Amino acid sequence: KAGVTQTPRYLIKTRGQQVTLSCSPISGHRSVSWYQQTPGQGLQFLFEYFSETQRNKGNFPGRFSGRQFSNSRSEMNVSTLELGDSALYLCASSFGDEGYLSYEQYFGPGTRLTVT
Amino acid sequence: QQPVQSPQAVILREGEDAVINCSSSKALYSVHWYRQKHGEAPIFLMILLKGGEQKGHDKISASFNEKKQQSSLYLTASQLSYSGTYFCGTEIGGTSYGKLTFGQGTILTVHP
Repeated sequence: KAGVTQTPRYLIKTRGQQVTLSCSPISGHRSVSWYQQTPGQGLQFLFEYFSETQRNKGNFPGRFSGRQFSNSRSEMNVSTLELGDSALYLCASSFGDEGYLSYEQYFGPGTRLTVT
Repeated sequence: QQPVQSPQAVILREGEDAVINCSSSKALYSVHWYRQKHGEAPIFLMILLKGGEQKGHDKISASFNEKKQQSSLYLTASQLSYSGTYFCGTEIGGTSYGKLTFGQGTILTVHP
């Protein structure tokens, strides 16, 4: 099976701009989680989508948003970029379940976002 | 609240063993372990569930003490390829769908 793919891999943006990142999960996986990784804060949860519904959200401002499509592909959007948004953005896919069961998450290679 | 990992760093020679610990102040539903090499994505190693079920790589072992909310990852007969940063990710359960709260990481360096 193909792994999780993320596009683009690298991105340079200017403060105030917006950006959209894409994630294609492993075939058959319906849950997609997004994380931000920085040297100072480590890995932090942004949000999770399952069957096109956001089920959970981390402690990030409303500038961070996401969505999921019927084929389980997911996008995240950051509006009005700030310097502090520079980070590696990782998405992780898992099998998922309508109820609550814990499944292992498989990470994509990430998108390295630099805000200047 | 972020789980606490110990030690923060460990240096080994090939063939030596190591234990990495992960401790939470909250009641956990599951603990996930990942290894990340510089510039790469975290790689899934092991998941341990409340109740005793676990799944992961054959050469990796781990434990989950539900009473103490602690998990330990055991790396035996270390190889150069084991080098990297190890993270534990915890799930509280209930409505924590897909949300892993990660520890700060343990840097493991294996020398020849």
